[in-house]
Amino acid sequence: QKEVEQNSGPLSVPEGAIASLNCTYSDRGSQSFFWYRQYSGKSPELIMSIYSNGDKEDGRFTAQLNKASQYVSLLIRDSQPSDSATYLCAVNDNSGYALNFGKGTSLLVTP
Amino acid sequence: GAVVSQHPSRVICKSGTSVKIECRSLDFQATTMFWYRQFPKQSLMLMATSNEGSKATYEQGVEKDKFLINHASLTLSTLTVTSAHPEDSSFYICSARDSLTEAFFGQGTRLTVV
Repeated sequence: QKEVEQNSGPLSVPEGAIASLNCTYSDRGSQSFFWYRQYSGKSPELIMSIYSNGDKEDGRFTAQLNKASQYVSLLIRDSQPSDSATYLCAVNDNSGYALNFGKGTSLLVTP
Repeated sequence: GAVVSQHPSRVICKSGTSVKIECRSLDFQATTMFWYRQFPKQSLMLMATSNEGSKATYEQGVEKDKFLINHASLTLSTLTVTSAHPEDSSFYICSARDSLTEAFFGQGTRLTVV
């Protein structure tokens, strides 16, 4: 069974700090990795995608992938209260099948 | 990113009635769409994979006769919850992919069965 694991949190960080969100996956055949942000009562919104080992930066967000360790993370720099949401890690093996989601990590950024 | 439109955003229905939810890909053709259900404070649970022009593939434990999926065109998939009951109350979300990479979500439908 393909599993995606995330710490449910809540992860609480002060405004301006770096928030670090982690995700591990079980399927070594996974090729595509995504981070989605979901506000309460809303559908997920794609933040970052990463396909190769290393770091990928987009504004305040950095995704990190280590396929050998089966680990993907999301760093949020200069965290803002508006970043408070649940962050979902999703993994796919490029078979065309649906993404496999973790249960999400709740992030709270306190002013 | 690509746009996926889902309608209605919120619906309340009486127990025993049926509800149809539409999912449209507005600026790309989606040969495959996915339907998820999310209960409060839970993760997204895949219900079924909808393939244009063919029968949907349902996940284990999802009743195909209760959750009817139709994918009649490359831009439209519908989910009909038949004979809805209060336990079917949930947040239903569709997703479509414009390639074998990123997936985009509709706005979701909050279904309440009373």
